[in-house]
Amino acid sequence: DVKVTQSSRYLVKRTGEKVFLECVQDMDHENMFWYRQDPGLGLRLIYFSYDVKMKEKGDIPEGYSVSREKKERFSLILESASTNQTSMYLCASSPILAGVSNEQFFGPGTRLTVL
Amino acid sequence: DQQVKQNSPSLSVQEGRISILNCDYTNSMFDYFLWYKKYPAEGPTFLISISSIKDKNEDGRFTVFLNKSAKHLSLHIVPSQPGDSAVYFCAVSIQGAQKLVFGQGTRLTINP
Repeated sequence: DVKVTQSSRYLVKRTGEKVFLECVQDMDHENMFWYRQDPGLGLRLIYFSYDVKMKEKGDIPEGYSVSREKKERFSLILESASTNQTSMYLCASSPILAGVSNEQFFGPGTRLTVL
Repeated sequence: DQQVKQNSPSLSVQEGRISILNCDYTNSMFDYFLWYKKYPAEGPTFLISISSIKDKNEDGRFTVFLNKSAKHLSLHIVPSQPGDSAVYFCAVSIQGAQKLVFGQGTRLTINP
């Protein structure tokens, strides 16, 4: 049974704090993704990684960084949290399977509130 | 510049009737299309997909239709059940590419 876990379901932080969101997958997937979900905006890609130590910017990378030191773990870092980063953060993973389904598997999400 | 649009933020349907959710995309290079379902406080889960070589794919109560000339995708749920109440996202991709582009989502409510 495929599994993507995220370190926290709910998180409250103060403006200016450094925030770490952790994601772990047990499916040996090469690809991992970080999205944020906001009402009316859908899921927007922040960063993704297709291999250990590799990362690529998504559509909204400003204010975020990522780290992938091990294949199963992908971390999202908010260097200095701001109130406009209050959101639901979703991690996903997928295998590299050229020519077949691009299905991604999602974690349960972290609801981050920045005060 | 939104590449994928779900123009209906919400939809309310009577239990037992058909639910139709719509999605439009702009880039004709997209050739793989997916629907995800999301309950509150949970991550999205994959529902059904279709490749551009087909115009219809069916899985139980769920059918996805693809109209390539109109760049339009729809999800039909019949009959609708209360457990179908959720937010539905369409997602598009270029087959073999690693990224998905998601629409804004449609909140479906099934009324008893």
